[in-house]
Amino acid sequence: DQQVKQNSPSLSVQEGRISILNCDYTNSMFDYFLWYKKYPAEGPTFLISISSIKDKNEDGRFTVFLNKSAKHLSLHIVPSQPGDSAVYFCTGGGNKLTFGTGTQLKVEL
Amino acid sequence: GAVVSQHPSWVICKSGTSVKIECRSLDFQATTMFWYRQFPKQSLMLMATSNEGSKATYEQGVEKDKFLINHASLTLSTLTVTSAHPEDSSFYICSARDHFESNQPQHFGDGTRLSIL
Repeated sequence: DQQVKQNSPSLSVQEGRISILNCDYTNSMFDYFLWYKKYPAEGPTFLISISSIKDKNEDGRFTVFLNKSAKHLSLHIVPSQPGDSAVYFCTGGGNKLTFGTGTQLKVEL
Repeated sequence: GAVVSQHPSWVICKSGTSVKIECRSLDFQATTMFWYRQFPKQSLMLMATSNEGSKATYEQGVEKDKFLINHASLTLSTLTVTSAHPEDSSFYICSARDHFESNQPQHFGDGTRLSIL
């Protein structure tokens, strides 16, 4: 039972453009959602989160949108930079985190 | 910022060997640490929740006698893969949350690549 799904395994975007990463979930009990960024051979690093009672959270170039009725959230990165190239994981959590399968983002020059 | 150190980063050993992986929170106290496993091209799967001073809580399908977890202090949790076999080869990652900041995100170690020959 995959409670968090990232249906796009990869995404390629040009530098300076917007990157939009999507995530769907089934568990309506999640208290909050987080996005983590992961480089090869490293552990995930926290990027941005959103409480289940909000619909938007913004931090610099990163904005996360939550649509509870659709059980969908998205991460917007604008402008995208080459250093943003990594695997992005969407997670739902209370005490324990449930990870999506990840989306490989490649930002091209 | 908060740092979680995981050691070793890479282990190659023979089948039947037991391997211990350490996870330390360097600048905060963690009553709870988490152990994940990631197979190639798959997501991080929670294996168990490590609780300081008490028994770990294992996820369904994870053998507690195979994956021994000890959380003896507020800054250290260990995962021992006992009698490891090739199918145990994976990327193991720990995470920890600051005891005094329960609403903050988990901080992850850099993982341990385990290869069983």
